[in-house]
Amino acid sequence: KNQVEQSPQSLIILEGKNCTLQCNYTVSPFSNLRWYKQDTGRGPVSLTIMTFSENTKSNGRYTATLDADTKQSSLHITASQLSDSASYICVVFPVPGGSYIPTFGRGTSLIVHP
Amino acid sequence: SQTIHQWPATLVQPVGSPLSLECTVEGTSNPNLYWYRQAAGRGLQLLFYSVGIGQISSEVPQNLSASRPQDRQFILSSKKLLLSDSGFYLCAWRVYGASRHTDTQYFGPGTRLTVL
Repeated sequence: KNQVEQSPQSLIILEGKNCTLQCNYTVSPFSNLRWYKQDTGRGPVSLTIMTFSENTKSNGRYTATLDADTKQSSLHITASQLSDSASYICVVFPVPGGSYIPTFGRGTSLIVHP
Repeated sequence: SQTIHQWPATLVQPVGSPLSLECTVEGTSNPNLYWYRQAAGRGLQLLFYSVGIGQISSEVPQNLSASRPQDRQFILSSKKLLLSDSGFYLCAWRVYGASRHTDTQYFGPGTRLTVL
């Protein structure tokens, strides 16, 4: 069964600090892995995308890594800001074709305190 | 440009009442459309997906149904709501990337449903 496990479940950090969120997956094969940011009461928004052949991708203060051998991904947030408080969801997309149903992690809830 | 709309944004309904949530997509044709539910503190659960008009696939047995009367319209319904139907409902559509390996899903703003 395809699964995506995220850790930690929740995280509290001080403004300005760095943090790293983890994602382990069993989906194989897959086409791409994305990290989404979901603010409370809003729909998820894509932060980064990595295809199965890529191992790092940056978007401003967000840097995602992918290790296809160990089936792990991480999202590193640098110099955190209050606006980074949100849920971060790891999503693995299947190979193209058919219904194209992704596998979602349960998310990591990040709280940034001033 | 491509956009996705959902309404209403919030809804409070009594147990046993009917439900109709609407999702529409602009700027694309023949999209794959999806309905998800997100319970408090839980991940996204796929409820239905549709690859075309009148074509609906259900992922889990439940008290809900879906319809796709038009190409860019996806409706989630219930005849009688249960307390367990409370949650955050998200509509999404498949967006084709520059290569097939960068296809993804974009999400609507969501509807917060509270059943009392």
